[in-house]
This record gives sequence, C-alpha cells and structure tokens, in this order.
Amino acid sequence: DARVTQTPRHKVTEMGQEVTMRCQPILGHNTVFWYRQTMMQGLELLAYFRNRAPLDDSGMPKDRFSAEMPDATLATLKIQPSEPRDSAVYFCASGRGTGGNQPQHFGDGTRLSIL
Amino acid sequence: GESVGLHLPTLSVQEGDNSIINCAYSNSASDYFIWYKQESGKGPQFIIDIRSNMDKRQGQRVTVLLNKTVKHLSLQIAATQPGDSAVYFCAENMTPGGGNKLTFGTGTQLKVEL
Repeated sequence: DARVTQTPRHKVTEMGQEVTMRCQPILGHNTVFWYRQTMMQGLELLAYFRNRAPLDDSGMPKDRFSAEMPDATLATLKIQPSEPRDSAVYFCASGRGTGGNQPQHFGDGTRLSIL
Repeated sequence: GESVGLHLPTLSVQEGDNSIINCAYSNSASDYFIWYKQESGKGPQFIIDIRSNMDKRQGQRVTVLLNKTVKHLSLQIAATQPGDSAVYFCAENMTPGGGNKLTFGTGTQLKVEL
C-alpha cells in the first residue's frame, strides 16, 4: 500500500535550535497538509498546499514556522527557533485535491520534544 | 504539577459486540465527512467516508450514518475485535466544493474487553 513517509520519527533537541521535518506524500497526490497533535489541543491544521502552492497557513505561527514544497515529492516544515511549547506530534497528510472530496492519508508523524 | 489535557470520551465494549461511536459536527454547510482510527504511536488511518447527499454508507464491518438534521455522525463497528481498540476521530470538510480542508473532532477512545 502507498504510504505517506515522514522523517524523522522522533526528534529531541534544545530550545532555540532549528528543527526540520520532512514528508514524502503519496505519489499522485497533489494536496499536502501539516497537522500538529497535542493532548491539550488535539489535531490542528497548520498549513496545506495544492500543486505545491500554499493555500492556507493561517494555523501556523508565522514568526517561527515555515512550510515549503521544494518539489512534488517533498514537503518540509521548519521551526526556527524552537520552543518547549512546540513539543508535539507533527503529522503530514496527502490527498487528491481534484475531482471532488477525497480522504487525506496520514503519515505516522514526527514526535518532537523541545527541552 | 498536574497535567491537563483533552478528556477523551471512552467507550468500552466486549469482544464480539457491536460498537457505536458518535460525533456531533459543527457546520451545516459541511458536505463531506470522514472517520479515522488512530492507534498509539501511529497516524490517523482512513476508515470510511460519506458525502452529504447520502445518509448511510457501509464498508467492511463498518457503517457510517449521517443525520444532517441534527448534525450528527455515527460509526458502527460490527463484531468488535481487540484490534479495533484505538481512538476514533470524525472529521468534516468545512470548505464545500472539494477544498479538502478538514476539521477534526476531539476523538473517542474505544476499548475492547476480552
């Protein structure tokens, strides 16, 4: 089965460090989503792309977070500088954004701990 | 100090029984709904979806019911198995027309007792 691949699976770093999370969407999917999951807030949408163009990043703190899609096979989410409150599991999901509603398929996430 | 987090509703069922997980959605204009299953340490896994022009859809051992009048969605799992233990999320598409932007509920923990 085709899967969304996220790396790294786990990341522990000190506050102030740059963190880069990577996502390989399912081949043929043209929409990519970044979510954050915490015990306090549940699953929150941070940003999403269609055909590599950012459509909505209103859920993302702009001062320290950035999301890009350098090419159709790679999406990145960066945090610089990182803070302890950024500790969470970050999920990437991909889907087919054309032809009506389609489900999003999730990777297994990057578990981020900022000390 | 004491940690505070989302209190997930929990549904406990005996193995072999049927499970019904409920979800109230917020936007009457939402036109697409999905149920996801999330096991510990993994990402949400797609189970079944339904469009707003339907009120019922069946999959393998699962059925989703949609009641647009009261904005209610339910997931029925037949003959619940230990492998069904997980957190179940409903999600709605709040951008009608295929925008694909989903809003997730807080989730329900399903525990299957042997």
